[in-house]
Amino acid sequence: QVQLVESGGGVVQPGGSLRLSCEASGFSFNAYGMHWVRQAPGKGLEWVAVVWYDGSQQYYVDSVKGRFTISRDNSKNTLYLQMNDLRTEDTAVYYCARVIYHARSGSFDFWGQGTLVTVSS
Amino acid sequence: DIQMTQSPSSLSASVGDRVTITCRASQNINNYLNWYQQKPGKAPNLLVYAASTLQSGVPPRFSGSGSGTDFTLTISSLQPEDFATYYCQHSHSIPPWTFGQGTRVEVK
Repeated sequence: QVQLVESGGGVVQPGGSLRLSCEASGFSFNAYGMHWVRQAPGKGLEWVAVVWYDGSQQYYVDSVKGRFTISRDNSKNTLYLQMNDLRTEDTAVYYCARVIYHARSGSFDFWGQGTLVTVSS
Repeated sequence: DIQMTQSPSSLSASVGDRVTITCRASQNINNYLNWYQQKPGKAPNLLVYAASTLQSGVPPRFSGSGSGTDFTLTISSLQPEDFATYYCQHSHSIPPWTFGQGTRVEVK
């Protein structure tokens, strides 16, 4: 069965860095685009970043551009999110999610359990 | 960027009630609209994609409709396990893949 397992969350000071990982299993990882979505405590869902199935393209929400980098290693079935220059407003649970397309309409059909990132001094 | 606005932000309902949640896009998104359910402490779960197609395994009491800018998610007869927060999301002219702010369905 499809599984996505995030790791790498923790407590970091403002200005610090953290790398999140999302290990995938149960499907052909190299055939799917992958996303990161975050949720601040008590708040709604916010899309963060996407990487194409082959790693050729990446896109980000404006608030993380220049600070976060999404990447993947298809040989390891693993998605990454490198987060630099972290701010208190980056505090959230970070989810990885798989995108699936029906015609041209994409949706996130599988999600990981989430990993908590806390940015605090 | 396309903005998604859900209404109401929260609602109170009883088991057996018919519940309708609305999502409005700031511009035409055709049928590129998804609905998710999220329970506390859990990851979101895809309910409906392409505005009206039920994801595999989702009970038929859930239905989605709409096209263009106005969409609805309906629960025909609310069950105890349906008390949760619901989010719409568009996938038109992406990125960004914007979510609505969420609608919390609470026990009346």
